[in-house]
Amino acid sequence: DAGVTQSPTHLIKTRGQQVTLRCSPKSGHDTVSWYQQALGQGPQFIFQYYEEEERQRGNFPDRFSGHQFPNYSSELNVNALLLGDSALYLCASRLGDRPYEQYFGPGTRLTVT
Amino acid sequence: AQSVTQLDSQVPVFEEAPVELRCNYSSSVSVYLFWYVQYPNQGLQLLLKYLSGSTLVKGINGFEAEFNKSQTSFHLRKPSVHISDTAEYFCAVKVFSGYNKLIFGAGTRLAVHP
Repeated sequence: DAGVTQSPTHLIKTRGQQVTLRCSPKSGHDTVSWYQQALGQGPQFIFQYYEEEERQRGNFPDRFSGHQFPNYSSELNVNALLLGDSALYLCASRLGDRPYEQYFGPGTRLTVT
Repeated sequence: AQSVTQLDSQVPVFEEAPVELRCNYSSSVSVYLFWYVQYPNQGLQLLLKYLSGSTLVKGINGFEAEFNKSQTSFHLRKPSVHISDTAEYFCAVKVFSGYNKLIFGAGTRLAVHP
């Protein structure tokens, strides 16, 4: 059983560019959350998707947007990249009725230069 | 609002010694409590969780944690650490209902020396 997968593993972008990160949830999971982990810090919640809709959102600007597809996979889009967007972006999945069992992917390391 | 404080940013320890990583939380509502481990260049792996019931929770890799409601703490312990336990450890909380996001502490770097 494959766990949560994310692509790409690493990414280097320039300020002002746009980036799309992808996540495939663990088999059977229908809820996907995205977290940003800056260097030396704990992960910060960006948003959560369930039934193809954004259900919860953390304190992130509208430059951060997402999408969930019918197969439950998800994308995170960041527009107008800033140097401060450099971080490890983690995707987590779970079953909608089991909020206490969340599985994380390996993350995408985004570097903005 | 909820918050998590991990009291030590780094904990150095010798192999086979016991270790305790401290976590305090603040919340006006009931929460679930978690410990995650992050090895270098990897995602987060769940070590253990407290949902309800016994306040002593056992997890993977020989770790355990004790929930103390009066002190709002959830300290992680291991009686004898191994070199392979070297990693970053995160304490996290999640409210029972409504918002389902995990709120993480800043992490504790456990460094096990031979």
